[in-house]
Amino acid sequence: KAGVTQTPRYLIKTRGQQVTLSCSPISGHRSVSWYQQTPGQGLQFLFEYFSETQRNKGNFPGRFSGRQFSNSRSEMNVSTLELGDSALYLCASSLEDTSYEQYFGPGTRLTVT
Amino acid sequence: GDSVTQMEGPVTLSEEAFLTINCTYTATGYPSLFWYVQYPGEGLQLLLKATKADDKGSNKGFEATYRKETTSFHLEKGSVQVSDSAVYFCGTGTASKLTFGTGTRLQVTL
Repeated sequence: KAGVTQTPRYLIKTRGQQVTLSCSPISGHRSVSWYQQTPGQGLQFLFEYFSETQRNKGNFPGRFSGRQFSNSRSEMNVSTLELGDSALYLCASSLEDTSYEQYFGPGTRLTVT
Repeated sequence: GDSVTQMEGPVTLSEEAFLTINCTYTATGYPSLFWYVQYPGEGLQLLLKATKADDKGSNKGFEATYRKETTSFHLEKGSVQVSDSAVYFCGTGTASKLTFGTGTRLQVTL
């Protein structure tokens, strides 16, 4: 069974631009979560979607948004990029709606210049 | 909200040495506890988990026991290998939201 895939793997954007990252969960997984990983802040929870509905949200500004499609694929969008948004963005999927056992993708490395 | 504190790294050990990485947590309710590992260039992988007090999670020679009285979940391994070099994350999870510690980098040398 294929793992969680994320595209693109690497991205370079300029301040003020917007970006969309994509995540395809493991087949059959209905929950998708997003995390931001930086050297200074570690891993921080962004949001989680289950059956196309956002169920949990972390403490990030409204510039960070996401959505989930009927096939469980998910996208996250960051508008008006700032230098501090440079990070590794990780997507994770899980089988059950309350499962803590999440399967992570390799991440998208976003660099904002 | 939930929070996790784990020991600062990097931790450098010789092969076959004993490993302990300390982890304490604060959380409401009855959270599950887990350790994830991140090898260079890869995403996080679940290493082990425990779902209730006194549970011991184990995998690949690593162990951790859910201690509710001390709110701890320390990771141990009796004899580390070079291939164990990675970043280890302690965390707590309720529903589908995971809260991680800052990670501890382990470097094992020959």
